[in-house]
Amino acid sequence: DIQMTQSPSTLSASVGDRVTITCRASQSISSWLAWYQQKPGKAPKLLIYKASSLESGVPSRFSGSGSGTEFTLTISSLQPDDFATYYCQQYNSYSPEKTFGQGTKVEIK
Amino acid sequence: QVQLVQSGAEVKKPGASVKVSCKASGYTFTGYYMHWVRQAPGQGLEWMGRINPNSGGTNYAQKFQGRVTMTRDTSISTAYMELSRLRSDDTAVYYCARDVYSGYDYWAYWGQGTLVTVSS
Repeated sequence: DIQMTQSPSTLSASVGDRVTITCRASQSISSWLAWYQQKPGKAPKLLIYKASSLESGVPSRFSGSGSGTEFTLTISSLQPDDFATYYCQQYNSYSPEKTFGQGTKVEIK
Repeated sequence: QVQLVQSGAEVKKPGASVKVSCKASGYTFTGYYMHWVRQAPGQGLEWMGRINPNSGGTNYAQKFQGRVTMTRDTSISTAYMELSRLRSDDTAVYYCARDVYSGYDYWAYWGQGTLVTVSS
């Protein structure tokens, strides 16, 4: 199975900061990667798919990049609504199992 | 608009089974895979498997093989996830989630979640 490793596990930041979260795959997944935001008690919300495509309705301060085994999610200017936990997820069609990273919690500094 | 509405919270004893439902509306039910994802308290997201509502074909995560069964009833646009031989570490919120595009396994549409508590 493909393992996904996110870093950091926790990130403390202030409103207006540029924030970057990294996700590494244990083998190449091309660009088959999605990013989600989750707030307590809520279902995850899709932000990015195919590594860098912004889901409709998601603010443009969110961006994704990478391919192969290394990916990043960037928030260009952190807003109060962005304090949440973020997950990457691989959906490589050659992998029968769809796996998530362990999550990155973005906290208020 | 796409809606996925799940059944209510459950409390089960160890060794029992639980069956969670996910009623879909706002789209053609048989046109998109339905997935199940769970989240233990304070933990991350874990993919359990998926069902093709058109054919009934399933793919399960290795971890749940032999304990999970995913089914559907196309007449009422509802998918089901049954987990047997429950243990305390199966306590989690269980979500159904629909493919954005059929066969591309990432999810913009999620149910509200169903809390399953396993306790003696």
